[in-house]
Amino acid sequence: DSGVTQTPKHLITATGQRVTLRCSPRSGDLSVYWYQQSLDQGLQFLIQYYNGEERAKGNILERFSAQQFPDLHSELNLSSLELGDSALYFCASSVMDRGYEQYFGPGTRLTVT
Amino acid sequence: AQKVTQAQTEISVVEKEDVTLDCVYETRDTTYYLFWYKQPPSGELVFLIRRNSFDEQNEISGRYSWNFQKSTSSFNFTITASQVVDSAVYFCALSENSNYQLIWGAGTKLIIKP
Repeated sequence: DSGVTQTPKHLITATGQRVTLRCSPRSGDLSVYWYQQSLDQGLQFLIQYYNGEERAKGNILERFSAQQFPDLHSELNLSSLELGDSALYFCASSVMDRGYEQYFGPGTRLTVT
Repeated sequence: AQKVTQAQTEISVVEKEDVTLDCVYETRDTTYYLFWYKQPPSGELVFLIRRNSFDEQNEISGRYSWNFQKSTSSFNFTITASQVVDSAVYFCALSENSNYQLIWGAGTKLIIKP
């Protein structure tokens, strides 16, 4: 158990809908990262927050947004969902904003039908 | 530009064989960090090791060992006496002091056959 929690574990929704994925980092970690992993593909970095502020942005679509709250938990919002958004979404946390290992949550498997 | 290359897409060996996973990186920073992660079929990503650019000592943890060579920009991972439970996708990653984003390799799928 990495100490990073993600909810929900599974999510099935229809095209055009909006969903929110939630992540709680390990105790003491200030940085949160979001990744997308499609079937048989590598990790695509989406976005990083550090102590409530956005630190880095990767290949995140405009339909997606995220935030980190004062209690350091983070939410990833996915809207106007398309079939191609079906993937495993990981949250990770680390103690600092760079240079340290990231600990990953179990992931949320999103299926868009 | 920063980059991590894992040239081996897939490796298949028979149990008890030794296997080495290659990782080659590119960076202009003098201070950087290298990582290995494991993703078993169950899907979770597990952190294995972190190494900073100033520490070229090889590391051994049980059947796992890592060889860091700055001269060849490589950070290779060896599993000795492989077991079926080692079957997973292994990712190598790079963190630069000048960049917040972790740079990931494409991963190597390791299949250990009984």
